[in-house]
Amino acid sequence: EVQLVESGGGLVQPGESLRLSCIGSGFTLGSYWMTWVRQAPGKGLEWVASIKPDGSEKDYVDSVKGRFAISRDNTQNSLFLQLNSLRVEDTAIYYCARTRVRIDVWGRGTTVTVSS
Amino acid sequence: QSALTQPASVSGSPGQSITISCTGTSSDVGGYNYVSWYQQHPGKAPKLMIHDVSNRPSGVSNRFSGSKSGNTASLTISGLQAEDEADYYCSSYTSSATLVFGGGTKLTVL
Repeated sequence: EVQLVESGGGLVQPGESLRLSCIGSGFTLGSYWMTWVRQAPGKGLEWVASIKPDGSEKDYVDSVKGRFAISRDNTQNSLFLQLNSLRVEDTAIYYCARTRVRIDVWGRGTTVTVSS
Repeated sequence: QSALTQPASVSGSPGQSITISCTGTSSDVGGYNYVSWYQQHPGKAPKLMIHDVSNRPSGVSNRFSGSKSGNTASLTISGLQAEDEADYYCSSYTSSATLVFGGGTKLTVL
């Protein structure tokens, strides 16, 4: 079964950092563009970042540029998102997703809450 | 990176057809055939229903169809069923090498 499982979410204060992880199974993660999408409470989906299969290209939504960093370890079938300088408005469920243009596999999400 | 424009809500009775629109610009919807539609039930992850404007993934009912004209894409659901009640999101690749989603449409089956 093709599956993505996220971890690493939690409750942090503004300005703090978190590292989200995503492990893929049932497919070779290294063959695909991978993406992070977030959803704030009661709000819609927002694309956050995508990374090329070999890691050579990374794209970000403007609101996280310079604060978030997407990376991958294809040998471990894993995807990561480093979240720095977190803001209250970064509070959301963060989904790990397969591919960039047509997201055909989604994880269940991990919740990040930024609050003082 | 402005969100694509979708109606906030649509409704229909069982058996009827509904259409959800998704309006962007020539830099996203109008410029690429990379429009996708997702269904999301409460508390669940989104599910891909349509990709590349009008293609259905394996396992998705043929009651779901997609189309595009200019800068506006559309999702049509025919033969509405109670289980179709959900939030629907469109997305498009953009000229900035990013992905943009619509604001979402809540479908109510009356």
